[in-house]
Amino acid sequence: DSGVTQTPKHLITATGQRVTLRCSPRSGDLSVYWYQQSLDQGLQFLIQYYNGEERAKGNILERFSAQQFPDLHSELNLSSLELGDSALYFCASSLNTGDFTEAFFGQGTRLTVV
Amino acid sequence: AQKVTQAQTEISVVEKEDVTLDCVYETRDTTYYLFWYKQPPSGELVFLIRRNSFDEQNEISGRYSWNFQKSTSSFNFTITASQVVDSAVYFCALRDDKIIFGKGTRLHILP
Repeated sequence: DSGVTQTPKHLITATGQRVTLRCSPRSGDLSVYWYQQSLDQGLQFLIQYYNGEERAKGNILERFSAQQFPDLHSELNLSSLELGDSALYFCASSLNTGDFTEAFFGQGTRLTVV
Repeated sequence: AQKVTQAQTEISVVEKEDVTLDCVYETRDTTYYLFWYKQPPSGELVFLIRRNSFDEQNEISGRYSWNFQKSTSSFNFTITASQVVDSAVYFCALRDDKIIFGKGTRLHILP
């Protein structure tokens, strides 16, 4: 158990809908990362938050947004969903951004858009 | 730009054989970290090892060993006496401010 909790584990929704994925980082970790894993694109970095503020942005679509709350949990919002958004979404956490520590991953949320 | 290349997309070996997974990286930074992660069939990503750019000492942990060579920008991973439970997708990753992953090597250990 990595200590990172993601909910829900599975999500099935229709095209055009909006969903929210939730992540609770390991106790004490200030950084949260979101990744998308699809069969053809591998593990794609989406966005990183550090202590409530956006720190780095990757290949995140405009239809997607995220935030990190004062209690350090994070949510990834996906809207106007398309079939191609079906993927495994991972959240990871690490202590901070400055010491290049490893990130520990949650078990992922498998999103299926039908 | 940072990049991680895992040229081997899929490898199959018979149990008890040794197997090496290759990883080549590109970065302009002088300070960086490299990682290996394992993704078993259950889907979670499990951290295996971290290596910083100033430490080229090879590391051994049980049946696992890692060979970091800065001169060739490689960070290879060897499993000795492989077991069926080693079957998984293995990812090499590079970090500066974010972690960039290679596309992974799917390893099949055949009984």
